Amino acid sequence: GAGVSQSPSNKVTEKGKDVELRCDPISGHTALYWYRQSLGQGLEFLIYFQGNSAPDKSGLPSDRFSAERTGGSVSTLTIQRTQQEDSAVYLCASSPLADSSYEQYFGPGTRLTVT
Amino acid sequence: AQSVSQHNHHVILSEAASLELGCNYSYGGTVNLFWYVQYPGQHLQLLLKYFSGDPLVKGIKGFEAEFIKSKFSFNLRKPSVQWSDTAEYFCAVKRAGTALIFGKGTTLSVSS
Repeated sequence: GAGVSQSPSNKVTEKGKDVELRCDPISGHTALYWYRQSLGQGLEFLIYFQGNSAPDKSGLPSDRFSAERTGGSVSTLTIQRTQQEDSAVYLCASSPLADSSYEQYFGPGTRLTVT
Repeated sequence: AQSVSQHNHHVILSEAASLELGCNYSYGGTVNLFWYVQYPGQHLQLLLKYFSGDPLVKGIKGFEAEFIKSKFSFNLRKPSVQWSDTAEYFCAVKRAGTALIFGKGTTLSVSS
């Protein structure tokens, strides 16, 4: 079946602009996760959803970052007033439930470059 | 705060050499442990995982990892690496109700 998909695959934006990144999880997966991968920092957790609610937003780096999920499916990560330090690959993952016994399936990521 | 440490940033091996990548975590409670791999240009994918039972777990492509609770470690091993194992390897830890916490990754370069 189809895996996790993300769009766009690449995004170049000017400093100060807002961007929206989209994630389509595997059908039927109720848990959805956002991570950020940058050079030297590895993978940083940003936020996760169980259904449409976000029990853990602790990884969001600032109030410029927000995410929502509607219909228990698609999620959008929004970065307002982008800064150069926001440049990274943003990864989305999904799993059947948020329980730790389930494997997370990752999408290909969105490479964000802020100029 | 819970953390995951991968001791080697970049490992360079010749084909047929043995591999061991270190991973230590700081959380003392019940955790589930994972190794993910990212081949060049590909998605992150699961290599293996430990939840309970036999502390020696086997994964895909001949990889295995040993959970040593007393050392808070979950090291990845492979007896004989191949050129196709060139990739970035991430150790990750998860507790119930939290997201995966990843290490910073180890880049493995295998020369033929």
